[in-house]
Amino acid sequence: ETGVTQSPTHLIKTRGQQVTLRCSSQSGHNTVSWYQQALGQGPQFIFQYYREEENGRGNFPPRFSGLQFPNYSSELNVNALELDDSALYLCASSLDFRVSGTEAFFGQGTRLTVV
Amino acid sequence: ELKVEQNPLFLSMQEGKNYTIYCNYSTTSDRLYWYRQDPGKSLESLFVLLSNGAVKQEGRLMASLDTKARLSTLHITAAVHDLSATYFCAVATRDTGNQFYFGTGTSLTVIP
Repeated sequence: ETGVTQSPTHLIKTRGQQVTLRCSSQSGHNTVSWYQQALGQGPQFIFQYYREEENGRGNFPPRFSGLQFPNYSSELNVNALELDDSALYLCASSLDFRVSGTEAFFGQGTRLTVV
Repeated sequence: ELKVEQNPLFLSMQEGKNYTIYCNYSTTSDRLYWYRQDPGKSLESLFVLLSNGAVKQEGRLMASLDTKARLSTLHITAAVHDLSATYFCAVATRDTGNQFYFGTGTSLTVIP
């Protein structure tokens, strides 16, 4: 049990729709990162938020966007869903990312299926 | 872009045997992580390695880091069925904050 919770756990959407995924970070953690894990692959970094500001972004199009709130919880929004967006979306929370060796704790993930 | 490669991708081994999973990465890194993932589940942190020569052990698993060779190993001793899972290494650098670059994963099956 990492203390990182994501909702919903499963979601089915239609191509072209929009989706919002949520993550509550572990108490005391101010950094949240989002990853996409396609079936049979390693997680791919989407973006990271530190104290409510985006702090790095991976190779994902602008239709992937996010927010971090004052309580450090976070949302991932995906617009104009495509079939290839079907994946497990993982949220990771950590202490200040600038601290060397800080560990990231992952939530249980949201399984998104786009049909 | 930082690249992380693991081998083997698939590993089937008998209970009681020893084996090693390898993780190579392409650029200088100051931290290396090992995670375990069970089917349909999230990532469970196993080890955090921060310096050259670091070695950590937990039960039947031992991880080591050679920063000069850009290589980490995860050694399995006397495997048991409960170790069946997918194992990922991940690398992060100061330049990328806590952005992790994950390897391709090693799917381990331990046969009774």
